[in-house]
Amino acid sequence: DQQVKQNSPSLSVQEGRISILNCDYTNSMFDYFLWYKKYPAEGPTFLISISSIKDKNEDGRFTVFLNKSAKHLSLHIVPSQPGDSAVYFCAAIVNAGNMLTFGGGTRLMVKP
Amino acid sequence: DTGVSQNPRHKITKRGQNVTFRCDPISEHNRLYWYRQTLGQGPEFLTYFQNEAQLEKSRLLSDRFSAERPKGSFSTLEIQRTEQGDSAMYLCASSLVGTGANVLTFGAGSRLTVL
Repeated sequence: DQQVKQNSPSLSVQEGRISILNCDYTNSMFDYFLWYKKYPAEGPTFLISISSIKDKNEDGRFTVFLNKSAKHLSLHIVPSQPGDSAVYFCAAIVNAGNMLTFGGGTRLMVKP
Repeated sequence: DTGVSQNPRHKITKRGQNVTFRCDPISEHNRLYWYRQTLGQGPEFLTYFQNEAQLEKSRLLSDRFSAERPKGSFSTLEIQRTEQGDSAMYLCASSLVGTGANVLTFGAGSRLTVL
């Protein structure tokens, strides 16, 4: 049972435009959500997070939106840069400090 | 601090052999996690420790998998009698209980290839 799903395996965007990566979850007990970015031959690195008590969190070019009623979150990158090209994983957690459940990832390609 | 360190980075072994991976977490972190990632999938949780105590191990894939963290510092993940299906990237991560508990810092991983 895949509790966190990223239905788009890949996304291609022109440099300077907005990238929108989507994530859906099924477990209503999740109370914290994170996005990780992964470059080849490196481990995932933390990007941005959001608590279930909020619906938006912004950090520079990155904004995460949470729609609890739809069990959906999205990551917006504006403006997109070629260096943003990576695999992006959505993750969720029930109760602080326990295991993260990851989605399958979306490969973002930002074209110059 | 150099972050989370994993060794070896790549291990090639024959089916039936035992392999061991080592993880050195960030020194002030007291939680340590092991994940497995197969091609095209996200990381899959295996087990985690708080200090030297293994708090969750029901997600280990079979009894061929075991993990230790003997002194609450580094950890090892052992796979006995390897099978071709064990071929994957094994990721270690650490975190600090408290305000940073939800944010895991990952190592670069140890890639296992079973021939």
